[in-house]
Amino acid sequence: RKEVEQDPGPFNVPEGATVAFNCTYSNSASQSFFWYRQDCRKEPKLLMSVYSSGNEDGRFTAQLNRASQYISLLIRDSKLSDSATYLCVVRGGYQKVTFGTGTKLQVIP
Amino acid sequence: GAVVSQHPSWVICKSGTSVKIECRSLDFQATTMFWYRQFPKQSLMLMATSNEGSKATYEQGVEKDKFLINHASLTLSTLTVTSAHPEDSSFYICSAREMTANYGYTFGSGTRLTVV
Repeated sequence: RKEVEQDPGPFNVPEGATVAFNCTYSNSASQSFFWYRQDCRKEPKLLMSVYSSGNEDGRFTAQLNRASQYISLLIRDSKLSDSATYLCVVRGGYQKVTFGTGTKLQVIP
Repeated sequence: GAVVSQHPSWVICKSGTSVKIECRSLDFQATTMFWYRQFPKQSLMLMATSNEGSKATYEQGVEKDKFLINHASLTLSTLTVTSAHPEDSSFYICSAREMTANYGYTFGSGTRLTVV
């Protein structure tokens, strides 16, 4: 089983739609969780951290379920500019960071 | 915010030559930096963890003699791809941890290496 797993997609959604991604992780001792966004041929950029209590940043909501070992990202009112690959990132001990393979989102006009 | 500068952004080299990639933290000190490689349509794969003043920690399957890492100061880590071959052509990205409230990781802009 991979350390961090994501559905690669692509998710093709119309503008204004709500879309959700899940990411599962195998190491129950994982400490920190993040969602990153990567545009084509660019470096990843931090979208948001994921806290146990769940957190929201504008149209984006991230949640963590430690019991089931998954994190989620919800995007409301999708914009064309949201089209990108979303990477789930999990940090374990000794600062080891593991990336998921990413979920590709394409928002369609 | 925290900025990580990576150079060069792209390089083309002949097979058998060596290429050095630099990663600098511009406005913060980074005792630890990470080097990743990303092949087309694949995820970032951690190659090694660079520790200031000590030896780097390499991931399984990464040849330490081929990918030389030096982290001589708190703001600079370098990755040297020695005796490069076409299969080393990839996108190399460094990152460092920014000690802000969200403890995220800042990435360099990446280096696209093409070995011909």
